[in-house]
Amino acid sequence: NAGVTQTPKFQVLKTGQSMTLQCAQDMNHEYMSWYRQDPGMGLRLIHYSVGAGITDQGEVPNGYNVSRSTTEDFPLRLLSAAPSQTSVYFCASSYSRRPEQFFGPGTRLTVL
Amino acid sequence: EDKVVQSPLSLVVHEGDTVTLNCSYEVTNFRSLLWYKQEKKAPTFLFMLTSSGIEKKSGRLSSILDKKELFSILNITATQTGDSAVYLCAVETAGNKLTFGGGTRVLVKP
Repeated sequence: NAGVTQTPKFQVLKTGQSMTLQCAQDMNHEYMSWYRQDPGMGLRLIHYSVGAGITDQGEVPNGYNVSRSTTEDFPLRLLSAAPSQTSVYFCASSYSRRPEQFFGPGTRLTVL
Repeated sequence: EDKVVQSPLSLVVHEGDTVTLNCSYEVTNFRSLLWYKQEKKAPTFLFMLTSSGIEKKSGRLSSILDKKELFSILNITATQTGDSAVYLCAVETAGNKLTFGGGTRVLVKP
């Protein structure tokens, strides 16, 4: 099992550009989520999904879109990048009845 | 708004010392509390606690939950340099959602 994979590992964007962060898992987990991690602030939930076709907003959803067309994939789209979106982004997944989430290796995003 | 607070923010100890990390929470619909260890990259799962007063142990790490006073403690005994990391506390509320604290950075010096 590859677990949770994320691409790219690093990305630099200019203000106003858009991009998609990819996340995939091969554990057949129903629940998937996206977090951002900023210094001293722990992990904050952006969006999550309880299954294919179902998504919902987390604590900090503004400026981000998600979709879940398959169980395996959960991409995160930045619509118009802003410097405030400079952060490390983690994707995570879990079984729906078990809260312990498995995390991907993260994507470090810098917006200039 | 759900809230999880960890203390201290950071600490420095020497190998062999014992470390106690604190996590307090105010959430609606508490289901469980989880501890994660984060070294350079992704957080890795340590413990999940659901019941008060029952200590979970894994080697030199142990954790306990107090649902009446709304806090948890993570203890690390006989610390080693490999214990250096950020320790994250998270509370599960409805539907697998986790609310994380800000983390405690532990540095163990040889």
